[in-house]
Amino acid sequence: AQSVTQPDIHITVSEGASLELRCNYSYGATPYLFWYVQSPGQGLQLLLKYFSGDTLVQGIKGFEAEFKRSQSSFNLRKPSVHWSDAAEYFCGGGSYIPTFGRGTSLIVHP
Amino acid sequence: EAEVAQSPRYKITEKSQAVAFWCDPISGHATLYWYRQILGQGPELLVQFQDESVVDDSQLPKDRFSAERLKGVDSTLKIQPAELGDSAMYLCASRRGGVENTGELFFGEGSRLTVL
Repeated sequence: AQSVTQPDIHITVSEGASLELRCNYSYGATPYLFWYVQSPGQGLQLLLKYFSGDTLVQGIKGFEAEFKRSQSSFNLRKPSVHWSDAAEYFCGGGSYIPTFGRGTSLIVHP
Repeated sequence: EAEVAQSPRYKITEKSQAVAFWCDPISGHATLYWYRQILGQGPELLVQFQDESVVDDSQLPKDRFSAERLKGVDSTLKIQPAELGDSAMYLCASRRGGVENTGELFFGEGSRLTVL
C-alpha cells in the first residue's frame, strides 16, 4: 500500500539550531509528496509539496525539503529554528486522496 | 482570505447520543474531505466528495457515520450513536477542482469531539 512513515514521534531542538524531520515513502514512480504543519488546536497548513522537477523544494516559513528517490525519503529541513516553529508536522502523499503520516512533534527549547 | 468554516469547535456528548458536524468549504472548491484525527496520530480520511457526489467513503464506519453534501457546497458529518472510541478531532478540508487544482488542501480548525 502507498504510505509514508515518520520514524520520529518527538524531536527537540534549541532555538537557532538546525532541524531535519524524517519522512520515508512507499509510492509509485512519481509520488506526490507534501509536508503540513499543525499548531495546537488548529487545522493543518501546507508547508511545501513535490510532484516533479527540482528535487529541492522551497516552502513557506523558511522550510525546505529534498526528494531522494534512492532513499525513498522526503525530509523536511530548516537552517535555524524559531520558538514559533513548535508544532506537529505531517508528511504525506497522494494528490487525489491525500494520506498522512502519524506526525512528528517539534519541541523548541529557548 | 477565505477559510474553511467548521462548527461546533468543541462538542461533549454521552455515548449513544447523536452528534453532527458542519463544514463550509472555501467558495468554489469542488472537492471536500472529512478526516478524523485521534490524539497523537495523523489525520485519517473518512469521506471525500466531488461536488455533491461521494468519491471515496471506504473508511467511513457506515453503521454509525453518515455524510452528505446535498448541494455540493457545505457538508454535514453525523455520528449516531456515538461511542467512546469516536473521541477525536474531525477535520474538514477543501481543494480547488479542475485546472486550478494545485493539490493543496485547505483545512478548517476542526471540531473536537469528546464522548463520555
